Amino acid sequence: GDSVTQMEGPVTLSEEAFLTINCTYTATGYPSLFWYVQYPGEGLQLLLKATKADDKGSNKGFEATYRKETTSFHLEKGSVQVSDSAVYFCALNHKGNQGGKLIFGQGTELSVKP
Amino acid sequence: DAEITQSPRHKITETGRQVTLACHQTWNHNNMFWYRQDLGHGLRLIHYSYGVHDTNKGEVSDGYSVSRSNTEDLPLTLESAASSQTSVYFCASNGGFSYNEQFFGPGTRLTVL
Repeated sequence: GDSVTQMEGPVTLSEEAFLTINCTYTATGYPSLFWYVQYPGEGLQLLLKATKADDKGSNKGFEATYRKETTSFHLEKGSVQVSDSAVYFCALNHKGNQGGKLIFGQGTELSVKP
Repeated sequence: DAEITQSPRHKITETGRQVTLACHQTWNHNNMFWYRQDLGHGLRLIHYSYGVHDTNKGEVSDGYSVSRSNTEDLPLTLESAASSQTSVYFCASNGGFSYNEQFFGPGTRLTVL
C-alpha cells in the first residue's frame, strides 16, 4: 500500500543554518504531495504542496520539489529561525482518491537554537 | 471566517466509560476526518466521511465510531474507553479534490485512566 517515510528526528540546528528534512514515498500513479507543520500545542497547517512531477512548492522560505524519479519530496530552507521550531509532516494522496484522504509520514521534530 | 473547532480541548476519563469528542466545521466541506496522533506513529486515520450519512473506517477504527447527520459535524465516540486510547485527536475537513489541503482543528488531548 501507499506509504510515506521521513527522516527521524529530533533535528537540532542553530539559527541561520540550512535545513533539509528528507521525505520519500511509495505509491502507484501520480500522487499529490504535501508538507504540513505543527507548532507546539496547535493543529496541523499546510506549509506547501506539489501536484505533479517537477513541481516546486514554496512558502515562508521553505521549498520542496516533487521528484518522481527518486520518489522524494525533501523539505529545505536556506536559513532557519527559532520560530521554525515545530514538527513537520510529509503526506500524500491520489488524484483519483475521492475526498483527498491523506497518508502521513511519522513527523520530524525540528528544534532551532538561538 | 470559516473554521474547524473541537471540544473539549482536554478530557480525562476512566477506563470503560463512553466518551464523545466533538468536531464542527463551518467551511461547508463534504469530507471530514478523524486522526489520532501518538509519538512514533505520526497521524493515523480513525474514521472519515464523504458526506451526510456516509462513514468509513480508517486504519485504526477498532473501539471508535462516528456518525454524520449534517454537513458541519462529525462526532467521534469511544464506546468503552481504554488506556490505549490515550492520545491527541485531530479532526480535519476538505472540499474533496485531491490537491486540496485538509484543514485541521486544534486537537483534543484525551487521557484514559
